[in-house]
Amino acid sequence: GAVVSQHPSRVICKSGTSVKIECRSLDFQATTMFWYRQFPKQSLMLMATSNEGSKATYEQGVEKDKFLINHASLTLSTLTVTSAHPEDSSFYICSASAVVGSYNEQFFGPGTRLTVL
Amino acid sequence: GNSVTQMEGPVTLSEEAFLTINCTYTATGYPSLFWYVQYPGEGLQLLLKATKADDKGSNKGFEATYRKETTSFHLEKGSVQVSDSAVYFCALSDSNYKLTFGKGTLLTVNP
Repeated sequence: GAVVSQHPSRVICKSGTSVKIECRSLDFQATTMFWYRQFPKQSLMLMATSNEGSKATYEQGVEKDKFLINHASLTLSTLTVTSAHPEDSSFYICSASAVVGSYNEQFFGPGTRLTVL
Repeated sequence: GNSVTQMEGPVTLSEEAFLTINCTYTATGYPSLFWYVQYPGEGLQLLLKATKADDKGSNKGFEATYRKETTSFHLEKGSVQVSDSAVYFCALSDSNYKLTFGKGTLLTVNP
């Protein structure tokens, strides 16, 4: 149980194009999803918190017009990287929050490797 | 703000060696503490967690104890295997359920 998928797993795009990444909770409903960015050999940096039916909350320094987040249902959140540039190349990971026992636990997707040429 | 500091790697061990990866944290209030593992090419998996002081989390032979007095959550395993080779992340979660991660420690176990 508590499986989170991401699609695509890898994407290569040209500079200036937009890329959409999907995050799905396959066997549970998630009112909250999180989007992270991971640079090579570094930790995960939280980009934004996405709540179903409301606007995402972005962390300081993350451009909300650059990284569009939509959480249209309890099982799907999307991250769109608009007008991508090479510096946006990174590993993007989502997580979905679910209550396990008395605790709110995050379950992580496998990540999406974005390469912008 | 919250922060997590874990020992920098890489760490290279021989099979059956003892493993310790140090982790200390700074947080307001009483955070929950976690260790996540990331195998090559995969996403993060929760390895173990502890939600209050003196709790011990354990899984797959790994253990970590929530030490409030030293603000630490060191990861240990008595006998590592080649299959334990991965990146290990220490993390904390505050009341908003946001996770703050350490930088990760790459562990390589040689046969």
